[in-house]
Amino acid sequence: GAGVSQSPSNKVTEKGKDVELRCDPISGHTALYWYRQSLGQGLEFLIYFQGNSAPDKSGLPSDRFSAERTGGSVSTLTIQRTQQEDSAVYLCASSLVGRGGTGNQPQHFGDGTRLSIL
Amino acid sequence: AQTVTQSQPEMSVQEAETVTLSCTYDTSESDYYLFWYKQPPSRQMILVIRQEAYKQQNATENRFSVNFQKAAKSFSLKISDSQLGDAAMYFCAYRSYIRDSSYKLIFGSGTRLLVRP
Repeated sequence: GAGVSQSPSNKVTEKGKDVELRCDPISGHTALYWYRQSLGQGLEFLIYFQGNSAPDKSGLPSDRFSAERTGGSVSTLTIQRTQQEDSAVYLCASSLVGRGGTGNQPQHFGDGTRLSIL
Repeated sequence: AQTVTQSQPEMSVQEAETVTLSCTYDTSESDYYLFWYKQPPSRQMILVIRQEAYKQQNATENRFSVNFQKAAKSFSLKISDSQLGDAAMYFCAYRSYIRDSSYKLIFGSGTRLLVRP
């Protein structure tokens, strides 16, 4: 079956513009995660969705970042008034929710969106 | 807060040889999961292997195995019979509790593995 799909694959924009990044999780996966990977770094957790609600937004770096999920499926990460430090690869992952929650469920990742702010 | 440390920015191995990638972590939890992910240039994160902390037996997946030392909080990855396709970034990750049986992953900074033909 299809994996996690992210679009666009690459995005170049000018400083100060708003951008929207899209994630389409694996069908049936109710848990969805956004991570950010800056150049040469590991992945940094941004936000987690269970269904359409976000129990944990603790990783969002500033109020310029927001995310939503509709229909328990597609999620959009929006960055307003982009800054050069926002340049990174943004990765989305999804997982099932088992009897023990998401703890023993592997996260399946998309190919990410490479965001470059000029 | 949990932390994950990978102290080897880059490792190199000869094709067909064995290499070990190191990872240490810090946590006050007694039950948790640890993971190794592989990230080739395509950027997709691929799960290589996972270990449940309450299991004493080290996990193995074909040529990949771990050396899990709970008391030392160490979780190293051994790749046997290295192949050119193993060349990638490798990330160690710790499952961290959010709430209501939900978890997120905390990643180390990664180790770039080069495989020499």
